[in-house]
Amino acid sequence: DAGVTQSPTHLIKTRGQQVTLRCSPKSGHDTVSWYQQALGQGPQFIFQYYEEEERQRGNFPDRFSGHQFPNYSSELNVNALLLGDSALYLCASSSTGREETQYFGPGTRLLVL
Amino acid sequence: GQQLNQSPQSMFIQEGEDVSMNCTSSSIFNTWLWYKQDPGEGPVLLIALYKAGELTSNGRLTAQFGITRKDSFLNISASIPSDVGIYFCAGLNNAGNNRKLIWGLGTSLAVNP
Repeated sequence: DAGVTQSPTHLIKTRGQQVTLRCSPKSGHDTVSWYQQALGQGPQFIFQYYEEEERQRGNFPDRFSGHQFPNYSSELNVNALLLGDSALYLCASSSTGREETQYFGPGTRLLVL
Repeated sequence: GQQLNQSPQSMFIQEGEDVSMNCTSSSIFNTWLWYKQDPGEGPVLLIALYKAGELTSNGRLTAQFGITRKDSFLNISASIPSDVGIYFCAGLNNAGNNRKLIWGLGTSLAVNP
């Protein structure tokens, strides 16, 4: 039973570029949440997807967008990258009604130069 | 974004010692979670608490949901070197279909063998 997987593991971009990160949830899970974790900080909630729609959103600008596919996998897109977007981006999956029990992937470390 | 107050920020202990850390909030939560994050990995769920006053154990780990619903505690007994990592608390108040976990800043634990 595969856990949550994310790709790529590491990424280097320059300011102004766009990036797409990918996540496959744990088998049996239908809900995907995305978090940004800056160095030395706890994860910050970006948004959550369920039934291919954004269900809840944190305090992130519209440059951050996402998508969920029929197989429950998800993408996080960030446009017009800023230096401050450098962080570990975590994907977590859960089941409907048990959103508090989230299983995390290893993350994608994004560096914006 | 909103974060919980987690203390201590860091701990350096001898192998075999017991460890205590806590998390407080100005808001009420109806779920408290404790995660551990190793370097380069996503957080791993250790213990979930769903009821005020609840005391739950997972091996050498014990966590309690505070009576006021505004705090939680995690204890680790007889620490071992593999306990090293960053421990995060997270709270959820899912009233109104809110699904956003609020995180502490983490407690960094170092164990001297």
